[in-house]
Amino acid sequence: AQSVTQLGSHVSVSEGALVLLRCNYSSSVPPYLFWYVQYPNQGLQLLLKYTTGATLVKGINGFEAEFKKSETSFHLTKPSAHMSDAAEYFCAVSVMNRDDKIIFGKGTRLHILP
Amino acid sequence: EPEVTQTPSHQVTQMGQEVILRCVPISNHLYFYWYRQILGQKVEFLVSFYNNEISEKSEIFDDQFSVERPDGSNFTLKIRSTKLEDSAMYFCASSGSGGGYTFGSGTRLTVV
Repeated sequence: AQSVTQLGSHVSVSEGALVLLRCNYSSSVPPYLFWYVQYPNQGLQLLLKYTTGATLVKGINGFEAEFKKSETSFHLTKPSAHMSDAAEYFCAVSVMNRDDKIIFGKGTRLHILP
Repeated sequence: EPEVTQTPSHQVTQMGQEVILRCVPISNHLYFYWYRQILGQKVEFLVSFYNNEISEKSEIFDDQFSVERPDGSNFTLKIRSTKLEDSAMYFCASSGSGGGYTFGSGTRLTVV
């Protein structure tokens, strides 16, 4: 069975500072990994995903994440935070080579300080 | 870009009433899902559907819930007798091969 752990339910960074949101996963088979963003009262927007190939994945809005198998991690980063990045971020895992359900982490709310 | 469409965006219903949430998946996708997000909590898997039958369901998906693909384009979630704790955002999703999931924008269900 797959699971996802997001460290920190709330993260605050100053505008212009580095954003780092942590995600560790557990999977007995090669995973698909995702980061989704949810703005208040809105749906889920895919930021980026890892399926196979290059372990550094670039997404929308300047975000990127690196798949580290040895550390079972898929941390999300952005070099310089913007006020518009304030939202809830969900890390998620699925099973590679199957169109299986996605298992979500509990989410991390990102606050941007002026 | 293809979208998953959900209607209505917001539904208010009285406790004990039946509700049907509707979704139009992406046309060439074969796998369909419903997820639920109670306010302030994480997104939880409810059910997956493939080849006109349920392929997997969670513990949340009890006898009060059912899914249907009535006409080859719509994918519906029915809650037979709503409870207060069914109040949540319900997301539909569809996928093709290779992890190409697409979520709809959700239906906010409020049970009063």
